[in-house]
Amino acid sequence: QIQVVQSGAEVKKPGASVKVSCRVSGYSLTELSIHWVRQAPGKGLEWMGSFDPEDEKTIYAEKFQGRVTMTEDTFTDTAFMQLSSLRSDDTAIYYCATSHGDFNAFDPWGQGTLVTVSS
Amino acid sequence: SYVLTQPPSVSVAPGNTARITCGGNNIGSKSVHWYQQKSGQAPVVVIYYDSDRPSGIPERFSGSNSGNTATLTISRVEAGDEADYYCHVWDRSSDHYVFGTGTKVTVL
Repeated sequence: QIQVVQSGAEVKKPGASVKVSCRVSGYSLTELSIHWVRQAPGKGLEWMGSFDPEDEKTIYAEKFQGRVTMTEDTFTDTAFMQLSSLRSDDTAIYYCATSHGDFNAFDPWGQGTLVTVSS
Repeated sequence: SYVLTQPPSVSVAPGNTARITCGGNNIGSKSVHWYQQKSGQAPVVVIYYDSDRPSGIPERFSGSNSGNTATLTISRVEAGDEADYYCHVWDRSSDHYVFGTGTKVTVL
């Protein structure tokens, strides 16, 4: 059974960067697609991007192109999402989620990481 | 970009049936997943590939998808079903994932 554990809450100033980690267990990261989704306070789910290990391709939502970088450390089965040039409206809970092979429903999800951007 | 539209809220009495719609252009040609998100928790998939139910999800949850509308149906609604629900697809033309706008289900 796949388990996903994310890093803890972060507080950042506007203009800074944040790097959120997502460690998986029960499966090798090389066999999983990793997806990043965020949720601003009181708002809906917003897909940010995904990494597909089969074609080693990372796709980003246009909204985050140029500001987001998704990477992986397969030795520690940990994925990372870095978001730069933070603004107050980047304050949100950031989730990672997994999918496997052709099954592209996001399951399971990490517990979420609250990122607060405030001066 | 592909857009999925859900009603903001649905209210239902215990024991009745809740139907949550997800509208999108020719969504019937896509595979739809549904997630339940309870307050303060991460989303959990309740229906995948239009109508399949993961193990552990009650049979009261069912899904359908045709034309321009996908529907999540919750039969014999219980207080514990109160949550936000989101539809979700992969849009092949853009190679992007899309979430619906979300529906808050309130059990009266």
